[in-house]
Amino acid sequence: AQTVTQSQPEMSVQEAETVTLSCTYDTSESDYYLFWYKQPPSRQMILVIRQEAYKQQNATENRFSVNFQKAAKSFSLKISDSQLGDAAMYFCAYRSLASGTYKYIFGTGTRLKVLA
Amino acid sequence: NAGVTQTPKFRILKIGQSMTLQCTQDMNHNYMYWYRQDPGMGLKLIYYSVGAGITDKGEVPNGYNVSRSTTEDFPLRLELAAPSQTSVYFCASTYAKRGGTDTQYFGPGTRLTVL
Repeated sequence: AQTVTQSQPEMSVQEAETVTLSCTYDTSESDYYLFWYKQPPSRQMILVIRQEAYKQQNATENRFSVNFQKAAKSFSLKISDSQLGDAAMYFCAYRSLASGTYKYIFGTGTRLKVLA
Repeated sequence: NAGVTQTPKFRILKIGQSMTLQCTQDMNHNYMYWYRQDPGMGLKLIYYSVGAGITDKGEVPNGYNVSRSTTEDFPLRLELAAPSQTSVYFCASTYAKRGGTDTQYFGPGTRLTVL
């Protein structure tokens, strides 16, 4: 069975600085998707970024980028020029593409604090 | 589009009561999911559905039931509520197809307390 591990329960970053959130996963599959979701205090789950495992190029979305290391099964999220609005829980998620599998597996989350 | 809507936003139940959490999506998504999020934890899958009339258990299905009679609606039923079911419940949907974005869209959540 696949697992997703986020080993940092909490991280802090100064406003305008860069922070990296870690995520590792375990799978025997070669084809899958990986996601980072943001959950602000409003509780709404918001997609931050998505990576297809077959793509070697790391995904980027404005100030958010990932470092996808397939062999190491690592999927970290880098937030550049951190803003106060980035403060939230961040969840890493895995989605298998194996036939008949429709489930997403979430990590336990990292709480990001942004210091003014 | 309203996206994924959930009702109610908050609810307090007494032990042994029953209730139904409603979830509706207007994006014509084929897959729908119910998760629970306990304090300080990630999301755990309760049930999911890959289309009308088809449902399957997730990681933590005990104490819950679902049905999917239409593409749009995926209600979650709690029978005989227990304090262990105190949690925030999220409904999500996605349109899964090969080569698609496969991104889940989440509802705003329902905070349920069982006393």
